[in-house]
Amino acid sequence: AQSVTQLGSHVSVSEGALVLLRCNYSSSVPPYLFWYVQYPNQGLQLLLKYTTGATLVKGINGFEAEFKKSETSFHLTKPSAHMSDAAEYYCAVIKTDTGFQKLVFGTGTRLLVSP
Amino acid sequence: EAQVTQNPRYLITVTGKKLTVTCSQNMNHEYMSWYRQDPGLGLRQIYYSMNVEVTDKGDVPEGYKVSRKEKRNFPLILESPSPNQTSLYFCASGERNTEAFFGQGTRLTVV
Repeated sequence: AQSVTQLGSHVSVSEGALVLLRCNYSSSVPPYLFWYVQYPNQGLQLLLKYTTGATLVKGINGFEAEFKKSETSFHLTKPSAHMSDAAEYYCAVIKTDTGFQKLVFGTGTRLLVSP
Repeated sequence: EAQVTQNPRYLITVTGKKLTVTCSQNMNHEYMSWYRQDPGLGLRQIYYSMNVEVTDKGDVPEGYKVSRKEKRNFPLILESPSPNQTSLYFCASGERNTEAFFGQGTRLTVV
């Protein structure tokens, strides 16, 4: 079975500080992993994804994530936070069950950025 | 423009009055899904579809129905809505082993 755990429902940083949002997954097979962002009153937008290949994945808006199989982690980072980064962030993994695929989400982390 | 379109964006209804939320995608995707989003619970899958006439239950299917008669459309039906179905609903589409594309959401209030 595959599931996703996001540590911390809220993360607060100052503008210019490092952003680190944590995601751990449980999976018995190589996973397909995603980070989505949701701005207020909007749908979910893909930030980045890991399917195969390079374990350090770069996404939009300066975000990146590293797939670490030994730690079953896919943490999201950004070197310098901007006020516009304030949003809800979701980690997700594709779950394969009897041939069907589902996209399973963590419970989300709200990023707060202060001036 | 590639997109997933949901309608309506906002809906207030009364308990027991049947309603349908439409979802359409123009990317020829095989997979389509419905999620509900509630505070503290993240997104939970209601139903999904692998292709026309192929649907299956997600994690929270009770009180919902879906149909997939055409590849582009995947409506969500609430036969007898109840207040605990007040939520923000998202439709998504995608291909196998890759990301899903989301609609803008439908905020439903059942009074």
